[in-house]
Amino acid sequence: SQQGEEDPQALSIQEGENATMNCSYKTSINNLQWYRQNSGRGLVHLILIRSNEREKHSGRLRVTLDTSKKSSSLLITASRAADTASYFCASLAGGTSYGKLTFGQGTILTVHP
Amino acid sequence: KAGVTQTPRYLIKTRGQQVTLSCSPISGHRSVSWYQQTPGQGLQFLFEYFSETQRNKGNFPGRFSGRQFSNSRSEMNVSTLELGDSALYLCASSFIRGPNTGELFFGEGSRLTVL
Repeated sequence: SQQGEEDPQALSIQEGENATMNCSYKTSINNLQWYRQNSGRGLVHLILIRSNEREKHSGRLRVTLDTSKKSSSLLITASRAADTASYFCASLAGGTSYGKLTFGQGTILTVHP
Repeated sequence: KAGVTQTPRYLIKTRGQQVTLSCSPISGHRSVSWYQQTPGQGLQFLFEYFSETQRNKGNFPGRFSGRQFSNSRSEMNVSTLELGDSALYLCASSFIRGPNTGELFFGEGSRLTVL
């Protein structure tokens, strides 16, 4: 498969807890992005981290990138019920990758009120 | 600013038919990409267009085609539909001209069911 891998496949937590999702990819990258998808809807961009960056923050989101291990993690702090969704990492390979993101299989996050 | 608009949102076809899906990108975005999402294969890249030119293509058979118009609107067509073509087809637009895709803005998708 050309897809990256994400774990866990599903994560169930209580409101207020932190949620951590991990992603691995296969080729060298230009950047790695995280997207969120509510059931059967379109994807919403959350955060982008470039290959020369190691950590990035946006609000309650923290993303790390380890290019030596070809892996990334997304941390959502103080989760809310509204964070319930599927989360996907998407890598952009180096070179002429016009529009082509390689998505992981996703993590289904359920946050219980 | 209006988001990416995809039509139709839902459609049902039978095997052997063809289908055309439409996508209007965010105003000012000239790059349009298409993705197929299925439970088994996940999200897979179909193709990308910029200024009416296809710049990149995924590993899909020739039954899948697309085009882009001078106003950046895009269409994709699937001919001789197969059951396995049932999927959510997502269109995304970007303002980035160069090869290193940044943030993609996705539409709500067109859900195709093939019977």
